Amino acid sequence: IAGITQAPTSQILAAGRRMTLRCTQDMRHNAMYWYRQDLGLGLRLIHYSNTAGTTGKGEVPDGYSVSRANTDDFPLTLASAVPSQTSVYFCASSAGTSAGELFFGEGSRLTVL
Amino acid sequence: GQNIDQPTEMTATEGAIVQINCTYQTSGFNGLFWYQQHAGEAPTFLSYNVLDGLEEKGRFSSFLSRSKGYSYLLLKELQMKDSASYLCAVRDSNYQLIWGAGTKLIIKP
Repeated sequence: IAGITQAPTSQILAAGRRMTLRCTQDMRHNAMYWYRQDLGLGLRLIHYSNTAGTTGKGEVPDGYSVSRANTDDFPLTLASAVPSQTSVYFCASSAGTSAGELFFGEGSRLTVL
Repeated sequence: GQNIDQPTEMTATEGAIVQINCTYQTSGFNGLFWYQQHAGEAPTFLSYNVLDGLEEKGRFSSFLSRSKGYSYLLLKELQMKDSASYLCAVRDSNYQLIWGAGTKLIIKP
């Protein structure tokens, strides 16, 4: 059972470049989330999706966009990367927004130079 | 604003007991979660409390007092593999999770 798969696991990117982090889950979960984790800070929600076809903004959405064309996939796009977007990005899913715990992918470590 | 407070770092001895505290101020409450995160890995679910009291699961227990905005995670019979960060998170009135910065637990032999 794969659970949640993220790609790439690590990437170094020049500032100004466009980057898409991929996230796929095979648990048929309705809700999916993108978080960033920075040293000394809690996980911060970037964008979320309660169900396929809908998305919402989290705490730190600026500079990021998402889409949810189907239940399984929830890609995160940085249109024009900046150094402050250097972080570890986690994709997560849950059965529903009010139900149960979150399951996390292994993370994508992104460095913007 | 919404806030989750937990100690930055704690040290304990193998075989001992440690209690990691979490206090919260959020707009509404729909449950509190504890997650474990080993260095370089993803967070994994440990426990969930929505009613006051103690939830026990093997060597780990979690306690909640909603009136005090307080929870703790109790780890018994500590093992070296318990060295990790422990994250407290509260689901608010909008069903969004608010995360603490995590407590790094160091286990010494």
